[in-house]
Amino acid sequence: RKEVEQDPGPFNVPEGATVAFNCTYSNSASQSFFWYRQDCRKEPKLLMSVYSSGNEDGRFTAQLNRASQYISLLIRDSKLSDSATYLCVVNENNFNKFYFGSGTKLNVKP
Amino acid sequence: DVKVTQSSRYLVKRTGEKVFLECVQDMDHENMFWYRQDPGLGLRLIYFSYDVKMKEKGDIPEGYSVSREKKERFSLILESASTNQTSMYLCASSSGTENEKLFFGSGTQLSVL
Repeated sequence: RKEVEQDPGPFNVPEGATVAFNCTYSNSASQSFFWYRQDCRKEPKLLMSVYSSGNEDGRFTAQLNRASQYISLLIRDSKLSDSATYLCVVNENNFNKFYFGSGTKLNVKP
Repeated sequence: DVKVTQSSRYLVKRTGEKVFLECVQDMDHENMFWYRQDPGLGLRLIYFSYDVKMKEKGDIPEGYSVSREKKERFSLILESASTNQTSMYLCASSSGTENEKLFFGSGTQLSVL
């Protein structure tokens, strides 16, 4: 079983739509959670950290559900520029060990 | 802002060549990592280092070695490049403190012919 699992998509949505991705993790001892965005042939860039209380940054909202061991990313009012692959990243109780989901591809269409 | 710099964006090498991929970070981070990323396989950890001259194998170390002589620099070495090492190589660093995130370099697309 993979440490971190994501639906690979693609999610094809029109501009202005709201879209949500989930990511499940297997180790209940996981400590830190992140969403990264990766454009084609570029490096992953941090989109947002995910805190226990949930957090919001503009059109993006991230939530953590420890009981069910998943994190989510909600994007409101999708823009064409949101088209990318979104990686879920989990850090376990070991600051050297990061686990990556395989990414969810989002295509926002005009 | 943290800057992680990889020496080459694109590299083409021949089978059997020795290949050096260099990575430098400017934020005095303790931890540095080398990943490779392949379609359908996601990011896989090759090696990481938590201090100067310290290194640990990741999930796929075979065919690779690393060097960390200075805190800011972490090198990945392919002793004898093979075609199955054609991939995107990503260097990353982190401070090693709680809740600290990873910062990535811009990647090196290596093609071994």
